Amino acid sequence: EVQLVESGGGLVQPGGSLRLSCVASGLTFSNYWMSWVRQAPGKGLEWVANIKQDGIEKYYVDSVKGRFTISRDNAKNSLYLQMNSLRAEDTAVYYCARTQYLRYDAFNMWGQGTMVTVSS
Amino acid sequence: EIVLTQSPGTLSLSPGERAALSCRASQSVRNNYLAWYQQKPGQAPRLLIFGASSRSTGIPDRFSGSGSGTDFTLTISRLEPEDFAVYYCQQYDSSPTFGQGTKVEIK
Repeated sequence: EVQLVESGGGLVQPGGSLRLSCVASGLTFSNYWMSWVRQAPGKGLEWVANIKQDGIEKYYVDSVKGRFTISRDNAKNSLYLQMNSLRAEDTAVYYCARTQYLRYDAFNMWGQGTMVTVSS
Repeated sequence: EIVLTQSPGTLSLSPGERAALSCRASQSVRNNYLAWYQQKPGQAPRLLIFGASSRSTGIPDRFSGSGSGTDFTLTISRLEPEDFAVYYCQQYDSSPTFGQGTKVEIK
């Protein structure tokens, strides 16, 4: 079965850190740009970051630059998001998403999401 | 940053009716790099349309996309019970952004 499965979410205090993981199966993971997209409770979608197939090029939304780091391990078919200096406004469901073809493209596969709650 | 504004915020319709959802961009979206997604409660979004008018794999032909430049439309020709959901547009001409969503609810 072709799927993306996220893990690593949870409750963290403001200023804390969390590392999200996404494991891909049933697809050639190393062929695709991959992204993290988040959705605050009851709100819309926000692209967070993406990473090129070789893991060298990385791009971020301004609100997370300097705090979040996206990475990947193609040998493990895995995508990661290291989140530091977390703020209340980072509270959201975080989705791992496969980009169709290009650096910026439609997202044609999504994981089920993992919830991150930043609260004291 | 390209800002996408969707209208209406909520669309109340009956099964079998036609739905037309609008997405307006703050500047021209080059190459029609515009996608539409459907999201149901507790689920991840599902890609419906990319390139403004191309249906993604497995999407029924009652879903169609149109438009160019700054004005785009998602049309559902005849609403099925499973189509009641929230719909988002997304541009990928530059750093991706999403509209705020249109909820299609049962009248």
